[in-house]
Amino acid sequence: DVVLTQSPLSLPVTLGQPASISCRSSQTLLHTYGTTFLNWFQQRPGHPPRRLIYNLSNRDSGVPERFSGSGSGTDFTLKISRVEAEDIGVYYCMQGSHWPPTFGPGTKLEIK
Amino acid sequence: VQLVQSGAEVKEPGASVRVSCKASGYNFTDYFLHWLRQAPGQGLEWIGRIHPRAGVTRYLEKFQGRVTVTRDSSINTTYMELSGLRSEDTGVYYCARGGGQIISYFDIWGQGTLVAVSS
Repeated sequence: DVVLTQSPLSLPVTLGQPASISCRSSQTLLHTYGTTFLNWFQQRPGHPPRRLIYNLSNRDSGVPERFSGSGSGTDFTLKISRVEAEDIGVYYCMQGSHWPPTFGPGTKLEIK
Repeated sequence: VQLVQSGAEVKEPGASVRVSCKASGYNFTDYFLHWLRQAPGQGLEWIGRIHPRAGVTRYLEKFQGRVTVTRDSSINTTYMELSGLRSEDTGVYYCARGGGQIISYFDIWGQGTLVAVSS
């Protein structure tokens, strides 16, 4: 199975400052279809996960523009341009390029 | 578009549990429906999926023989049954929508169902 590694696992940030989360894969996530099926999810305390970014860099409907996804091959990044209080939670990367789908361990974003 | 799951369950070790997930707001038979779980304070684990139109299923190898996912298209509902419960199965179980015509993962989630396994 594809192993996803995230760093950092804990991310204290100041409101209004940028934040960046790294996700590394044990195999390339470029699918033979030419698409990279790397997704990012946010999970606020007590809630189910919410998909923010799909297929590497596409924001889901209703997701603020301050969230962006990038990367290629085995290295990926989720960036928040200016952190707001509502961004508190755990962020997971997830890959669907190889069977079975797998998730990273999560990065807990907290406010300093 | 939403997925609504059944309520919390408390089960003894060795028992079985069945969790339901009712879809609304979209064509139920056009999209995969996946099941995932999250142990307390832990990350997310994919369990299996079903395509409601054909009823074809696929499971994570570690759950093979213990999990069964079914559907009742007449009421837009899928079910996940897990047997031989052990304490390690305690957690929140989620259903989530997958792709239809294109490959897509988990754009819509159910609210989660807590399954507690305890003697």
